[in-house]
Amino acid sequence: DQQVKQNSPSLSVQEGRISILNCDYTNSMFDYFLWYKKYPAEGPTFLISISSIKDKNEDGRFTVFLNKSAKHLSLHIVPSQPGDSAVYFCAFFTGNQFYFGTGTSLTVIP
Amino acid sequence: DTGVSQDPRHKITKRGQNVTFRCDPISEHNRLYWYRQTLGQGPEFLTYFQNEAQLEKSRLLSDRFSAERPKGSFSTLEIQRTEQGDSAMYLCASSVGISYNEQFFGPGTRLTVL
Repeated sequence: DQQVKQNSPSLSVQEGRISILNCDYTNSMFDYFLWYKKYPAEGPTFLISISSIKDKNEDGRFTVFLNKSAKHLSLHIVPSQPGDSAVYFCAFFTGNQFYFGTGTSLTVIP
Repeated sequence: DTGVSQDPRHKITKRGQNVTFRCDPISEHNRLYWYRQTLGQGPEFLTYFQNEAQLEKSRLLSDRFSAERPKGSFSTLEIQRTEQGDSAMYLCASSVGISYNEQFFGPGTRLTVL
């Protein structure tokens, strides 16, 4: 039972443009929503989070949007840079557990 | 380096053998999580510790898997009688506190069962 879905396995974006990564969830009981970035041969690195009581959180070039009615989470990266090329996982926290999506591989083309 | 470390980074074993992985969390972190990640999937929760107590285990953690965290510091994950389906990346993460807080991941141990 996949509680978290990232329907786009890959995304390519030109440098300087906006990257939008999407995530859908089924469980309404999640407390926190997170995005992680993963480079090859490394563990995931925390990027940004948002509480379930908010609908937007911004940190520099990264903004996370939460639409609770649609059970949808998105990450906007503006402007995109080649160093942003990585696999991005959305994750949800509830009940002492983290649930991860399947990941979206972002390629930023110089 | 004060990050989460895992040892070994790679392990190749034959089916039926036992393997043990080690995770050293960030020193002041009282929570420690184990995950398994297969190709094309995100990390899947296996188990977590609050200090030395193992508080939750996933149904993915069959009786061939056992995890320990003696003295609430490093943790070991043992897989007995390995099967080819156990081939995966095993990730460890740690965090501080008693509820949600940022997790820091180690680099993982890649297990290949022949």
